[in-house]
Amino acid sequence: SQKIEQNSEALNIQEGKTATLTCNYTNYSPAYLQWYRQDPGRGPVFLLLIRENEKEKRKERLKVTFDTTLKQSLFHITASQPADSATYLCALAPGPYGNNRLAFGKGNQVVVIP
Amino acid sequence: DTEVTQTPKHLVMGMTNKKSLKCEQHMGHRAMYWYKQKAKKPPELMFVYSYEKLSINESVPSRFSPECPNSSLLNLHLHALQPEDSALYLCASSHQNRGNYGYTFGSGTRLTVV
Repeated sequence: SQKIEQNSEALNIQEGKTATLTCNYTNYSPAYLQWYRQDPGRGPVFLLLIRENEKEKRKERLKVTFDTTLKQSLFHITASQPADSATYLCALAPGPYGNNRLAFGKGNQVVVIP
Repeated sequence: DTEVTQTPKHLVMGMTNKKSLKCEQHMGHRAMYWYKQKAKKPPELMFVYSYEKLSINESVPSRFSPECPNSSLLNLHLHALQPEDSALYLCASSHQNRGNYGYTFGSGTRLTVV
């Protein structure tokens, strides 16, 4: 069966350090991988998208890598701040064509300690 | 306008009631989605509308009935729900229903069925 796995344990990190989250998937061949941020009781907010032929993508303090051989994406928050505390969701899209079903992982909570 | 607006924010309904959830966007997005999210779980896709036509129904029970009156509006009609249907219902939109577009989510409707 298809699975998108993210660490269920919260990541507690000191302010200023780099937070690294992992997303592993099985029985998917995604053309795109997306990352979202979700705060309690709110909808997810789109952060970054990376294509299967891209190794790395950056946006401000965020960096995403995508390894289709390992079937894994890493999500980094550099110089973390307390405002970065949230749950981060990985999502997979099968391709550039229509009838896409964007599937989400359970998310990984990040707590940045001042 | 870069938002998806969902109303109401909270809804409590009895198992015999009929109610509707509303979603609106004015970004010109041609794909709109309903997701259901239970606590500590990932969002689960329910319905996809592409160019105002229902393109995906993820085997959702008929007590949930979607409607897309025009390209800016999406409704979810609820009837004879069960307590286990209590969840956060999220509406989202994207430029098109393709994997290379990020989704814009609303803040959700917190539904409680009593």
